Amino acid sequence: DGGITQSPKYLFRKEGQNVTLSCEQNLNHDAMYWYRQDPGQGLRLIYYSQIVNDFQKGDIAEGYSVSREKKESFPLTVTSAQKNPTAFYLCASSDRLADYYNEQFFGPGTRLTVL
Amino acid sequence: SQQGEEDPQALSIQEGENATMNCSYKTSINNLQWYRQNSGRGLVHLILIRSNEREKHSGRLRVTLDTSKKSSSLLITASRAADTASYFCATTGVEYGNKLVFGAGTILRVKS
Repeated sequence: DGGITQSPKYLFRKEGQNVTLSCEQNLNHDAMYWYRQDPGQGLRLIYYSQIVNDFQKGDIAEGYSVSREKKESFPLTVTSAQKNPTAFYLCASSDRLADYYNEQFFGPGTRLTVL
Repeated sequence: SQQGEEDPQALSIQEGENATMNCSYKTSINNLQWYRQNSGRGLVHLILIRSNEREKHSGRLRVTLDTSKKSSSLLITASRAADTASYFCATTGVEYGNKLVFGAGTILRVKS
């Protein structure tokens, strides 16, 4: 089956810890994205990547880091510098960022809670 | 940045009725997309309408776009309990680097 997987589904973090959220896709998409969703605020873009070994900051990149070493993988690290990390995190992919007609395909999400 | 705003924020209807959700945006767009999100799940793409199109249909969904008013509407006909979800509009445009910018969404509840 083609699609996007995210793991874990639920993640608990103690204050001061870094945690890494996994995102894998087998759709052969070039572009991948990370969004944060808070209640009543819709989705906000954290980072995106158009191609392997390249990524750009989105609207709320502070306190987060990413890597894109493989086309199919785009892990997100929530660092201790992120002061309010409790949220629902969604990963998505699409054929090409430059081709703005393309839809995005979303993973099932990871719910991160800071204890 | 939030380009799109959905209206109403929440909508409750009976099964079989039609549901209409509206989206307004601020700057010129290349296309507008509608997504659905079931509670605690990822988003699912429903329909995409390009800036030079005025209306599109997909099954029970009808989307209209009025670029002069910078607004779009999503109509779900003959709603079902399974349509209960949050619905988001998202736009792409040069001003936002052709990235998708999402609104806050409309929560639809269909009562059986």
